This record gives sequence, C-alpha cells and structure tokens, in this order.
Amino acid sequence: NAGVTQTPKFQVLKTGQSMTLQCAQDMNHNSMYWYRQDPGMGLRLIYYSASEGTTDKGEVPNGYNVSRLNKREFSLRLESAAPSQTSVYFCASSVLFNNSPLHFGNGTRLTVT
Amino acid sequence: GQQLNQSPQSMFIQEGEDVSMNCTSSSIFNTWLWYKQDPGEGPVLLIALYKAGELTSNGRLTAQFGITRKDSFLNISASIPSDVGIYFCAGQTLGAQKLVFGQGTRLTINP
Repeated sequence: NAGVTQTPKFQVLKTGQSMTLQCAQDMNHNSMYWYRQDPGMGLRLIYYSASEGTTDKGEVPNGYNVSRLNKREFSLRLESAAPSQTSVYFCASSVLFNNSPLHFGNGTRLTVT
Repeated sequence: GQQLNQSPQSMFIQEGEDVSMNCTSSSIFNTWLWYKQDPGEGPVLLIALYKAGELTSNGRLTAQFGITRKDSFLNISASIPSDVGIYFCAGQTLGAQKLVFGQGTRLTINP
C-alpha cells in the first residue's frame, strides 16, 4: 500500500517548456488535489477533483491544467512554464471532499530557469 | 479569501522543552487539522478536531479546538530530535469545500 505516489521527484525546466506531473493513489479515495508550497506561504490549492470526472479551480489555478484520468490518477500540466512556477508541488487525496483529512504524496520539486 | 495566521513562524528550542503553537482565523471553522512535514516529504496528519472545545492527544502531542471556533492550539511535551520539522494547521469552514492552510511553524531542536 503505497498511499499517494508522485512522479517525478525533481524536475528542471526552461521557461516556456511544458511538462506533466503525475499522481496516483491506491487508497480508493474519491477526491484528489494539487497544492504548491512556497516559503512563507504555506500550502496553496491549485486544482482539485472532488470525484472522478470532475475538476475545479482552487486558489492559484493560472498557468496550470489538470486531468482526472480515472479514480486513481490526477495529473497536473504546465503548458508553458514560468519562473514563478518554481515551487514544490504536492498531490493529495481524501476519502470524501468535505471534512475528510488529506493524505499527501512526497512532492515534486520543480525549478524553472 | 480565508486566511489562517499561524504563529510562531519558527522556534528554536532545547531537547526536552515543551512546545506550543497556534492558529487563528477571521472565520469560524468547523474542522481543524494539524499536520507535520519532515524534510523532503509531504505533510502527515497528526491530529484532527471536529468539535469546539475538543481536546485530543496523540502521544506527546495535544491539540485543542478553540471555544470561539476561530483558533486552535498544538502542544508538544518533552520534545525529542525527531520532532524537528514544519507543523501546519489547516481549517475548514462549515459549508466550504476546501481546506485552508496556515503558513507553518518550523521547529528546530538543539540536542
């Protein structure tokens, strides 16, 4: 039982390049989330998927897109990376969308030069 | 949007000391969660609180859901080196669908 698995763990991009961050959970959770973590800012929600087949914007969605591929997988795509997107990205999942603790992956450290 | 103020931002203590940190909100919350993040890993849930006034312990950790529903406290007793990390509070308002996170408290322990 691996929990929430994120790939890759590290990535360096040049400005304008695109990439997709992958996330998969094996806990049969309904809801999945993408957060970014920046120094002094805590965790900010980028996008979420309350249930399979639905996705919604979070607090900081600009520059990102997501796909809930199936119940297990939720990917985050940067179409044209910018230096402001340098951050640590965390995927999380929860049983239900409301009042249900989040389980986090170990993060992807992204640097955009 | 909703904001949580978490304090202190950082703490430097001696091993064996007790630790106290808190979060306050401008909104009334119906759920408070406390997470710990070790270096290079994702946050891990420590304690979940669902009722005003609730006091819950997890080993040497104790957290309380404030009576006003606008604050929460986390205490760590007799700190040990493995307590080092960043502690986050998170809250959810009634009817809201997303958690709001505090900025984190970075705990450093001198042996």
